[in-house]
Amino acid sequence: GDSVTQTEGPVTVSESESLIINCTYSATSIAYPNLFWYVRYPGEGLQLLLKVITAGQKGSSRGFEATYNKETTSFHLQKASVQESDSAVYYCALGASNTNKVVFGTGTRLQVLP
Amino acid sequence: EAAVTQSPRNKVAVTGGKVTLSCNQTNNHNNMYWYRQDTGHGLRLIHYSYGAGSTEKGDIPDGYKASRPSQENFSLILELATPSQTSVYFCASGEGVSNERLFFGHGTKLSVL
Repeated sequence: GDSVTQTEGPVTVSESESLIINCTYSATSIAYPNLFWYVRYPGEGLQLLLKVITAGQKGSSRGFEATYNKETTSFHLQKASVQESDSAVYYCALGASNTNKVVFGTGTRLQVLP
Repeated sequence: EAAVTQSPRNKVAVTGGKVTLSCNQTNNHNNMYWYRQDTGHGLRLIHYSYGAGSTEKGDIPDGYKASRPSQENFSLILELATPSQTSVYFCASGEGVSNERLFFGHGTKLSVL
């Protein structure tokens, strides 16, 4: 079936350090998946961070970047210099343009130390 | 910005009791969803809807019913609650036909004793 595997948390980094949260996907029933990163900040609802719907393209938001790599079936989330305000839970997800289902990973809790 | 509101935020229920979780969205989205999240699992789809009057089974529908009486409201119903249904439940609405973006509520924490 379709699934998403991401870095198991919690991940702890110090402010201004670089970050990578790994995400790989399996899309056996979806020919051309759309890929997403969602984030839940403390006390807030889950919200879209970035999305990429075309293989080979990169999405970016709030200093985070992720590249849709169809060859390695990956969509890793990266940031060059994290801030304490980036502390949150991050979810990788995939969806299809022709269905209404979105499949989520287990989430990665990120804690950024001041 | 689309708003999705869930109620209640917290609920304690007894085994065998009936539980109704409510969701309201204010942005006129056609698609609405119910997910549950448990430790070690991602968000798992329970039921979804394409519009008023429609409900569809998701990946884990057993033990749950859904109701979409209007464009704005989507309820999840546990007719006979069990401890295995203790979880955090999230409602979401879909912005576009390709579901490029989902808008989520804050979640309902349900404990079935």
